[in-house]
Amino acid sequence: DAGVTQSPTHLIKTRGQQVTLRCSPKSGHDTVSWYQQALGQGPQFIFQYYEEEERQRGNFPDRFSGHQFPNYSSELNVNALLLGDSALYLCASSLAVGDYGYTFGSGTRLTVV
Amino acid sequence: GESVGLHLPTLSVQEGDNSIINCAYSNSASDYFIWYKQESGKGPQFIIDIRSNMDKRQGQRVTVLLNKTVKHLSLQIAATQPGDSAVYFCTQAGGYQKVTFGIGTKLQVIP
Repeated sequence: DAGVTQSPTHLIKTRGQQVTLRCSPKSGHDTVSWYQQALGQGPQFIFQYYEEEERQRGNFPDRFSGHQFPNYSSELNVNALLLGDSALYLCASSLAVGDYGYTFGSGTRLTVV
Repeated sequence: GESVGLHLPTLSVQEGDNSIINCAYSNSASDYFIWYKQESGKGPQFIIDIRSNMDKRQGQRVTVLLNKTVKHLSLQIAATQPGDSAVYFCTQAGGYQKVTFGIGTKLQVIP
């Protein structure tokens, strides 16, 4: 049984560009959460999707947006990239909004130059 | 705002010894406290959780203790193995809210 799959694994973008990261949740999971993890720091919550709607949002600017598809997969979009957006972006899936036993993917390493 | 922090950023333990990772939290309203383990190059992995109405819960080689009086959480790992080397995060959640991560503690197992 595949766990959470994220693509791509690594990405290099130029400041000002836009990026889309993708996530396929674990089979049977319908809730997807996105986190940003800077080097040496703990993951910071970006937002959570359930039933194709954003249910919760962390303290991130509107440049960060997302989407969830009917098959529960999700995308994270970041516009107008800044150098400070360089980080590991983690996707986590869970059985429901109230399920806290998240299954994480291995992340997408984004480098903004 | 809520925060989750750790007392020790790095913990070195001899293989076979027991490990204790401590954590302080500030949000008393959380219903759940969850420990995650993150190995190098991987995403966090769920280890064990405990509800706020419990003070102890045991898993395989791991025990989590919760002291709500002093807002303290600990993870005990018995007979620490090299595969236990990782960064450990104590997190909290509740009321359908997000899982909030702290800084993390790096556990180094000395062979």
